[in-house]
Amino acid sequence: ILNVEQSPQSLHVQEGDSTNFTCSFPSSNFYALHWYRWETAKSPEALFVMTLNGDEKKKGRISATLNTKEGYSYLYIKGSQPEDSATYLCAFGAGGGSNYKLTFGKGTLLTVNP
Amino acid sequence: DSGVTQTPKHLITATGQRVTLRCSPRSGDLSVYWYQQSLDQGLQFLIQYYNGEERAKGNILERFSAQQFPDLHSELNLSSLELGDSALYFCASSVGPLSSEKLFFGSGTQLSVL
Repeated sequence: ILNVEQSPQSLHVQEGDSTNFTCSFPSSNFYALHWYRWETAKSPEALFVMTLNGDEKKKGRISATLNTKEGYSYLYIKGSQPEDSATYLCAFGAGGGSNYKLTFGKGTLLTVNP
Repeated sequence: DSGVTQTPKHLITATGQRVTLRCSPRSGDLSVYWYQQSLDQGLQFLIQYYNGEERAKGNILERFSAQQFPDLHSELNLSSLELGDSALYFCASSVGPLSSEKLFFGSGTQLSVL
């Protein structure tokens, strides 16, 4: 069983605050790490896929970093806006013969107050 | 709109019954994944198909089965339904079979077993 842990479980910030959350995953047998954004009443939408240690990805005010050696990824949101309110999911893809499926964490629920 | 179509959106049935959930992947995507989202769990991987063949299996119960047809649409069959099978079932698709591929999610089927 692969353990993908996300912290915190939930987070409340004020509009304009910058914030970050963590995804921890097994440091061995790494293949890929995904971040998804899941708004209420919608379906998860891909933000980033990272495959190399040290990868950094950016999309607007959202960025992510990856450390495969220690098994963690950070997602950063700069200047949070109410429309950033969503659950942020990470997913770990293992390598070797099992590099077909993604194991998701339970997510971090972000609420941005205006 | 992700381009992934799931039907029906809602399904209410009784214990012991059998239901079929349907998914049409994005145009050009050959991989289809099924995930189950229940109250206390994250997205639980059930099964993946690639170009008509089963590629990876997760925590799928023996009462559940799936297939991918030549036109690449997929069906998830749930039989001898129990109360605990009530959940949101997502289908996702990707271009290729590997876990480094970005997933595109459908809007889900909410199954209620009464």
